Amino acid sequence: AQSVTQLGSHVSVSEGALVLLRCNYSSSVPPYLFWYVQYPNQGLQLLLKYTTGATLVKGINGFEAEFKKSETSFHLTKPSAHMSDAAEYFCAVTGTGGFKTIFGAGTRLFVKA
Amino acid sequence: DAEITQSPRHKITETGRQVTLACHQTWNHNNMFWYRQDLGHGLRLIHYSYGVHDTNKGEVSDGYSVSRSNTEDLPLTLESAASSQTSVYFCASSERAGRFNEQFFGPGTRLTVL
Repeated sequence: AQSVTQLGSHVSVSEGALVLLRCNYSSSVPPYLFWYVQYPNQGLQLLLKYTTGATLVKGINGFEAEFKKSETSFHLTKPSAHMSDAAEYFCAVTGTGGFKTIFGAGTRLFVKA
Repeated sequence: DAEITQSPRHKITETGRQVTLACHQTWNHNNMFWYRQDLGHGLRLIHYSYGVHDTNKGEVSDGYSVSRSNTEDLPLTLESAASSQTSVYFCASSERAGRFNEQFFGPGTRLTVL
């Protein structure tokens, strides 16, 4: 079985500061990992994903995430926050459950001017 | 451009009524999913389908049903709406091959059961 834990339901940063959203997973098979973003009143859209190969994955809007197998983590970072980054972010994993995806509870990112 | 649409976007209904939420995708994806989103729970899987005439229960399927008669549509039916089913519902789709394929989401339906 797989699971995803996102540490912190809310994260607040100042504009221009580093963004770090934490995600830990558990999976009995090599996982495929995803970060999705949800803007207000919209559906989720893919930020980035890790499948195999390079453990540092770059996504849209300047975000990146690093797969660390030893730590079972897939934290999302962005060097400099922008006001437009304010949204909810979901970490997700697929593994043994066919094409099903398990989502974390989400982290809401607030960006202060 | 391919897309996934949901209707209605907002719905208010009464306890005990049957409600159907529509989902239509033009990606020609085999896999389709229904989720509900509630504060503090993230997205929870209600039902999913891997192709025409295939349907499967997710983790919170009680009180919901789906049917898949074609590739494009997966309607979600609440047989007898309950206040606990007040939520935001998202439909999603993905390609058949590979667990590495991301899901594409619709804009959501906000359902209120009074």
